Amino acid sequence: QQQVKQSPQSLIVQKGGISIINCAYENTAFDYFPWYQQFPGKGPALLIAIRPDVSEKKEGRFTISFNKSAKQFSLHIMDSQPGDSATYFCAASDTGGFKTIFGAGTRLFVKA
Amino acid sequence: DVKVTQSSRYLVKRTGEKVFLECVQDMDHENMFWYRQDPGLGLRLIYFSYDVKMKEKGDIPEGYSVSREKKERFSLILESASTNQTSMYLCASSSAGNNYEQYFGPGTRLTVT
Repeated sequence: QQQVKQSPQSLIVQKGGISIINCAYENTAFDYFPWYQQFPGKGPALLIAIRPDVSEKKEGRFTISFNKSAKQFSLHIMDSQPGDSATYFCAASDTGGFKTIFGAGTRLFVKA
Repeated sequence: DVKVTQSSRYLVKRTGEKVFLECVQDMDHENMFWYRQDPGLGLRLIYFSYDVKMKEKGDIPEGYSVSREKKERFSLILESASTNQTSMYLCASSSAGNNYEQYFGPGTRLTVT
C-alpha cells in the first residue's frame, strides 16, 4: 500500500518553462516532507524539504507548496534547465525521521 | 562532504546464494538505512539502525537481515537470494542531530539469476 502518491510518472518541459510535480499523502503523523533528486548512476540527494507548519518554501529556482488540509504538496522548478533532467522523489517522514516513505518518482526531461 | 560508499556497483548472484552488501559512511553518522529501489515503486525501507548492534525492521524486511558491528559500517544480508530480490539497493546515513536528512550511496544493482 503506497502511502505517498506521486504524479506524473514522467514529464517533458521546454527549457525556461515551469516543471510541476505533485504528491499526496495519507498519514497525518508525517512531519517532514523532503524532495530528493537523483541523476543516473547516482544515489538520491536531498533537494529541498518542508515542515507541515509552513505553506511554502523557496530555495533558488525550487519551491515546495504545501497544503496540509488537502494532504498534498508539490515541487515547482522555475526556469527549468537541461541540467535539471533527473528523477525526482517526494517523500514523507514520521516523527524522528527514521521511517521515510517515498513516492514512485517522476522522470523529468528538460528539452534544450 | 558526506560520503557513503557501497562495496559493489553491480553484482550477479545465483538463486539460493548468500549475498552480502556492504555500506560504509565516513561522517560518524549514528543512523544507517537500507532501501531497495524498483521502477514504479520508489524507494522502500528494508532495515535501519540507530546505533551499533541496534536494528529495526522497515517496511519490507522479509528475506533480508542486517548487521552493524561498527558505527561506520552497515551490512545487508540476503540469506538465500531469490529472483524477486533483483533490484537496486541503496544505503543511506543520517546524523542523530538531524535524523531527517539522509545521505545516499550510489547503489548496488543486484541481479539474481
